Amino acid sequence: KNQVEQSPQSLIILEGKNCTLQCNYTVSPFSNLRWYKQDTGRGPVSLTIMTFSENTKSNGRYTATLDADTKQSSLHITASQLSDSASYICVVSGMDGGGSYIPTFGRGTSLIVHP
Amino acid sequence: KAGVTQTPRYLIKTRGQQVTLSCSPISGHRSVSWYQQTPGQGLQFLFEYFSETQRNKGNFPGRFSGRQFSNSRSEMNVSTLELGDSALYLCASSLGRPNTEAFFGQGTRLTVV
Repeated sequence: KNQVEQSPQSLIILEGKNCTLQCNYTVSPFSNLRWYKQDTGRGPVSLTIMTFSENTKSNGRYTATLDADTKQSSLHITASQLSDSASYICVVSGMDGGGSYIPTFGRGTSLIVHP
Repeated sequence: KAGVTQTPRYLIKTRGQQVTLSCSPISGHRSVSWYQQTPGQGLQFLFEYFSETQRNKGNFPGRFSGRQFSNSRSEMNVSTLELGDSALYLCASSLGRPNTEAFFGQGTRLTVV
């Protein structure tokens, strides 16, 4: 069964500090891995998309890494801001038993940035 | 450029009723995907439509169905509503090519009483 596990479940940091969120998956065969940011009451917003051949991708202060061998990804946030307070969701797309490519979502990491 | 629009934003229905949710994608996007988000299960994929055809389907019962029109607008229908169907229903649109960015709407908050 395809699974995506994220850690930590929640994280509290001070404004200006860096942090790293983790994502482990068992999705196979693998198509791509995405990180999303979801503010409370809003739809998710895409941060990065990575395929099998990519191991690092940046989007401003967000840098995602992917190790396809160990099936692990991380999202590093540099110089955090109050507006970074949100849920960060890891999504891995792979093929299910019926031949369809479907996304499997992690439960998310809830990040709170304090002033 | 207008974003993904979902209507209605909020909906209250009674058990046993049916409901139809609407999603208007970004202009030029031919793929629309639907998701259910609950506190207990998180985000789960329902199905994807591309050029009026269901291209991928998640693991949900047949009470959940959808369709896509020639202008790429999509509707999702849930029949015989159950209390457990209470959730935030999100749709996302994209160009439909592999590894392209998907853009989510604000969602429809469905409450079943």
